[in-house]
Amino acid sequence: GAVVSQHPSWVICKSGTSVKIECRSLDFQATTMFWYRQFPKQSLMLMATSNEGSKATYEQGVEKDKFLINHASLTLSTLTVTSAHPEDSSFYICSASKGVGGNTIYFGEGSWLTVV
Amino acid sequence: KQEVTQIPAALSVPEGENLVLNCSFTDSAIYNLQWFRQDPGKGLTSLLLIQSSQREQTSGRLNASLDKSSGRSTLYIAASQPGDSATYLCAVEHGGKLIFGQGTELSVKP
Repeated sequence: GAVVSQHPSWVICKSGTSVKIECRSLDFQATTMFWYRQFPKQSLMLMATSNEGSKATYEQGVEKDKFLINHASLTLSTLTVTSAHPEDSSFYICSASKGVGGNTIYFGEGSWLTVV
Repeated sequence: KQEVTQIPAALSVPEGENLVLNCSFTDSAIYNLQWFRQDPGKGLTSLLLIQSSQREQTSGRLNASLDKSSGRSTLYIAASQPGDSATYLCAVEHGGKLIFGQGTELSVKP
């Protein structure tokens, strides 16, 4: 089956610094990638939808200048958390699809971010 | 706005029991509905995908049904095992996005 890889699996960073998380589709071209955030004991909340070669579409309440999303190729999307604060500590999960509207969506294994 | 609700939030059963997890959604205009399993601190594993035109899907001890008109889905787990302990999430694809429920945390005790 299709595989989506996230890197790093976990990262610790200092407040005020930026951290980048990568999401790769390993065996298919992903025209659409999604980024989710999950706080402990809560469900996945969609942060943004990114389409290859265009700007990401952010969900209401998500700061686009803080969570920078780049989808430069059909196999790679990156999420950069800028000027990280402890409240940004969370589990970030990406997913990838060959296209919206009924195509199977594959999930990465997630990335734990801890901001100290 | 599409909202997905899962009941119960948590469930604890003895090994061997059959159980049902419930999922409801407010807007019936969905492409599909998926059930996922999430182990603590891990990503998601897709269990079953039901297209909007289908009424159920089966995989091993799992059976998922979909009643789109009433906005409901159930996940039936037969002969539960301790290894089934995890959080089960349902999600609907709506407007090009996956909208998740809050999950049901299942504990199967030996």
